[in-house]
Amino acid sequence: ETGVTQTPRHLVMGMTNKKSLKCEQHLGHNAMYWYKQSAKKPLELMFVYNFKEQTENNSVPSRFSPECPNSSHLFLHLHTLQPEDSALYLCASSQDNTGGEYNEQFFGPGTRLTVL
Amino acid sequence: AQSVTQPDIHITVSEGASLELRCNYSYGATPYLFWYVQSPGQGLQLLLKYFSGDTLVQGIKGFEAEFKRSQSSFNLRKPSVHWSDAAEYFCAVGARGYQKVTFGTGTKLQVIP
Repeated sequence: ETGVTQTPRHLVMGMTNKKSLKCEQHLGHNAMYWYKQSAKKPLELMFVYNFKEQTENNSVPSRFSPECPNSSHLFLHLHTLQPEDSALYLCASSQDNTGGEYNEQFFGPGTRLTVL
Repeated sequence: AQSVTQPDIHITVSEGASLELRCNYSYGATPYLFWYVQSPGQGLQLLLKYFSGDTLVQGIKGFEAEFKRSQSSFNLRKPSVHWSDAAEYFCAVGARGYQKVTFGTGTKLQVIP
């Protein structure tokens, strides 16, 4: 595997289900990100992790729970979601962003989530 | 706070024709500027970026963009479009010294034979 991979690619869940999205990066990066992409809306940054520590939570509802066990893996645990949470969830990684310069983010293909 | 406007939601061009996608940004200082492309079923790929220096930036796949401070614009251009360029294009702005970027709503490009 190369780059950033995400599983599953498609997920349909009911509002009472619990599911998890998985992201893995094979680039040796130290920062990982979750984004939400909804139709006709800008890409929304949800969470940022640097060296496994959460450095940003962009006012995301608690029904989304991220987990970063190491610098290569990032999870998004989902529970009691709403239909408006249906979207494409993108994971990205970069060299750590604790310094001053911008480091390019590399994106995975996303998980298409549908909440019924 | 920074913001990005992409005024064209959808653009259709003929294969071989030139292309210009518009992007306007709002930021108090000199920003970082980016163009990303997203093909169907794929994540975003960085086409090019502007940090400083020459205001005409060359990217991958034959794309270029020009930073115009006076117009707060960073338009993406390509002299001759190929059918494989059909995708969605996102402009983004970032603040210096800060990793977070703000994305526009995207422009979907359709290429007709």
